[in-house]
Amino acid sequence: GAVVSQHPSWVICKSGTSVKIECRSLDFQATTMFWYRQFPKQSLMLMATSNEGSKATYEQGVEKDKFLINHASLTLSTLTVTSAHPEDSSFYICSAEMGGTEAFFGQGTRLTVV
Amino acid sequence: GNSVTQMEGPVTLSEEAFLTINCTYTATGYPSLFWYVQYPGEGLQLLLKATKADDKGSNKGFEATYRKETTSFHLEKGSVQVSDSAVYFCALSDRTGANNLFFGTGTRLTVIP
Repeated sequence: GAVVSQHPSWVICKSGTSVKIECRSLDFQATTMFWYRQFPKQSLMLMATSNEGSKATYEQGVEKDKFLINHASLTLSTLTVTSAHPEDSSFYICSAEMGGTEAFFGQGTRLTVV
Repeated sequence: GNSVTQMEGPVTLSEEAFLTINCTYTATGYPSLFWYVQYPGEGLQLLLKATKADDKGSNKGFEATYRKETTSFHLEKGSVQVSDSAVYFCALSDRTGANNLFFGTGTRLTVIP
């Protein structure tokens, strides 16, 4: 199957700083990428949907100014957690799909804000 | 609204044991149902899916049947192997594609020799 690479796998940052997470489709062009968040013992929750070259669509309750999503090319989307706080500590997962076919997932990024 | 309720883990089984991971759902309309698996250090991978009632998805010895009457999509395998150790996620999509997935909490399976 297609490969989606997410980087970094884990990151620790200080409260108040910003963190960027990259999601790359390695062997296909992703028309749409999705960002999910998972708290311990909870479901993966869709945060936003992004299409290349256009603004991301955020789910209700997700702060777009805090979670900046950029989908500048068909193979790269980035999620930037701005002014991170301990409550932003979570597991973030991206997925990518091409033309409404199966979604392929990255391995996830564990963010810890101290 | 849409939601997925999944059996809590962790589940520990001996090799060759029978596996069942329960999954029930709530959805408007007629969703597609999925099981994803996440092996250590890797991303979620689609394990199997079913798009309509009474469909059975199967892959790598795993099976799940879309039961509309009980709103369930339980995952089963007759004889698990150590290599099946992973986290399993049940999910639904209320569209024809795989986007906008609603996930269960995941069930960690550990198979011991």
